[in-house]
Amino acid sequence: NAGVTQTPKFQVLKTGQSMTLQCAQDMNHEYMSWYRQDPGMGLRLIHYSVGAGITDQGEVPNGYNVSRSTTEDFPLRLLSAAPSQTSVYFCASVKGRTGELFFGEGSRLTVL
Amino acid sequence: AQSVTQLDSQVPVFEEAPVELRCNYSSSVSVYLFWYVQYPNQGLQLLLKYLSGSTLVKGINGFEAEFNKSQTSFHLRKPSVHISDTAEYFCAVRTQGGSEKLVFGKGTKLTVNP
Repeated sequence: NAGVTQTPKFQVLKTGQSMTLQCAQDMNHEYMSWYRQDPGMGLRLIHYSVGAGITDQGEVPNGYNVSRSTTEDFPLRLLSAAPSQTSVYFCASVKGRTGELFFGEGSRLTVL
Repeated sequence: AQSVTQLDSQVPVFEEAPVELRCNYSSSVSVYLFWYVQYPNQGLQLLLKYLSGSTLVKGINGFEAEFNKSQTSFHLRKPSVHISDTAEYFCAVRTQGGSEKLVFGKGTKLTVNP
């Protein structure tokens, strides 16, 4: 039972480069989300999706793009990486409004 | 919009001592409340949650939390901690009947010393 799978686990980018963080879940969850975690800031919501074809912005969406073409996948795109996007990124999914969030193991991104 | 305040960023305690990690929330509507734990270099996992019913909620690893609506609090407690409880703990809130968005506090780093 894989749960929520994120790739890559580590990535180093140069300023201005683009990349995609992959997230896949095999639990048939409708809701998926991306958070970033920075020291002393907790987890901040970047984007979320309540189902295939539906996405919306969270607290810190600037510089990031998402799409949800299938229930399983929710990739996060960095269009032009900046040092301020150096962070640990977590993907999470949940079934229904009272369920717990299941988190991936995180992707550590460094932008030089 | 809802918000979460974790009053202590760091809590050091000795092994076998009791601990309380404080969490207050702000919301104009009824909420669901959660505590998550993050061990070093790992993702987050659910400790416990309050949805409705009894205000005292028991979770994994001997933790419990009490929902206090009048004080808008959801403090996490453990009567006797172990070295293995060293981790970061996050309180989170979601509005009932609203979106599935979960809003997190900034976290409390619990360090258990021998």
